[in-house]
Amino acid sequence: RKEVEQDPGPFNVPEGATVAFNCTYSNSASQSFFWYRQDCRKEPKLLMSVYSSGNEDGRFTAQLNRASQYISLLIRDSKLSDSATYLCVVNIGGYSTLTFGKGTMLLVSP
Amino acid sequence: DGGITQSPKYLFRKEGQNVTLSCEQNLNHDAMYWYRQDPGQGLRLIYYSQIVNDFQKGDIAEGYSVSREKKESFPLTVTSAQKNPTAFYLCASMAAATTEAFFGQGTRLTVV
Repeated sequence: RKEVEQDPGPFNVPEGATVAFNCTYSNSASQSFFWYRQDCRKEPKLLMSVYSSGNEDGRFTAQLNRASQYISLLIRDSKLSDSATYLCVVNIGGYSTLTFGKGTMLLVSP
Repeated sequence: DGGITQSPKYLFRKEGQNVTLSCEQNLNHDAMYWYRQDPGQGLRLIYYSQIVNDFQKGDIAEGYSVSREKKESFPLTVTSAQKNPTAFYLCASMAAATTEAFFGQGTRLTVV
């Protein structure tokens, strides 16, 4: 079983749509969770950390379900500029290495 | 302006040559990492270092070497033993308090 699994997509949505991505992780000892955004041929950039209580940043909402070992990212009112690959990232704690999912591609069309 | 700087952005290597990719950070982070990304693939860990003068192999260390003589610097050497070095190489550092990782802009290495 892969450590961090994501649906590769692509998710094709029109502008203004709401889209949700899920990610599952296999290590129950995982402590930190993140969503990164990666544009084509660029480096990943931190989008948001995911807290146990869930967190929201503008149009983006992240949630964590430890019992089921999955993380979600909800994007409301999609913009053309949201087109990118979204990486789910898990850390078992401290300086332990991060484990990356392969990413979910989002394409927002006019 | 704090951040991570990788150089060069593009690098061409002849078969049989060693090349060194530079990674410098001024974020005062203890931990630094090297990842490799191939087209359509996820990030794979090559080496990481949690403290000066110490580093550990990642999942695909064969054909690569690193050093960590200074906190700010973590250069990666791609040796001739690496049979398929063409890839996008990403350096990252991690903040201890949040375990959030920040990436440099990457080096795209091509074997010619």
